[in-house]
Amino acid sequence: DIVMTQTPLSLSVTPGQPASISCKSSQSLLHSDGKTYLYWYLQKPGQPPQLLIYEVSNRFSGVPDRFSGSGSGTDFTLKISRVEAEDVGVYYCMQSIQPFTFGPGTKVDIK
Amino acid sequence: QVQLVESGGGVVQPGGSLRLSCAASGFTFSSYGMHWVRQAPGKGLEWVAFIRYDGSNKYYADSVKGRFTISRDNSKNTLYLQMNSLRAEDTAVYYCAKDHDKAVATYFDYWGQGTLVTVSS
Repeated sequence: DIVMTQTPLSLSVTPGQPASISCKSSQSLLHSDGKTYLYWYLQKPGQPPQLLIYEVSNRFSGVPDRFSGSGSGTDFTLKISRVEAEDVGVYYCMQSIQPFTFGPGTKVDIK
Repeated sequence: QVQLVESGGGVVQPGGSLRLSCAASGFTFSSYGMHWVRQAPGKGLEWVAFIRYDGSNKYYADSVKGRFTISRDNSKNTLYLQMNSLRAEDTAVYYCAKDHDKAVATYFDYWGQGTLVTVSS
């Protein structure tokens, strides 16, 4: 199975400041169809996960443009340009090139 | 809007069985693949199973293969997960999730609120 790792595992951010989360996969997530099957989810406290980013860099419907995704192959990054209080929770990266696996999660809270 | 409502969770003894249901609304259920994903208490996310839009193909995580069965009733807009030979390590919140595609497992674009399954004697 493809192993996903994330750094850092926890992050405390001042509102209005940027934040960045790294995700690495044990194998390339670039498929022969040209797509890269890397996704980002946010699980707010007491809620199910919600989709933020699909295929590395595409924001899902309704996701604020302060969220952006980048990367290729095995190295990916989620950036929040200006963190807001509503962004607290656990962020997961996920791959779907083989049966789905998730990263361990990065817990983001507000200073 | 898309709504997914799980039910059927509860406490069951090791070796027992349980059937989860997921009622879908707000989209054409029969046109999308569906998944079950679980989360053990205080832990991360684990994909469990996928079923194609028409029920013709099903895929399972190795950890549940041979014990769990995913199915769907498109006439009732409902997804199911039959769980047999339950173990303590199956204790988790089980989420129903909609796939972005109909036939190929791609990614989860909407999730239900989840239902808690506790396996304990």
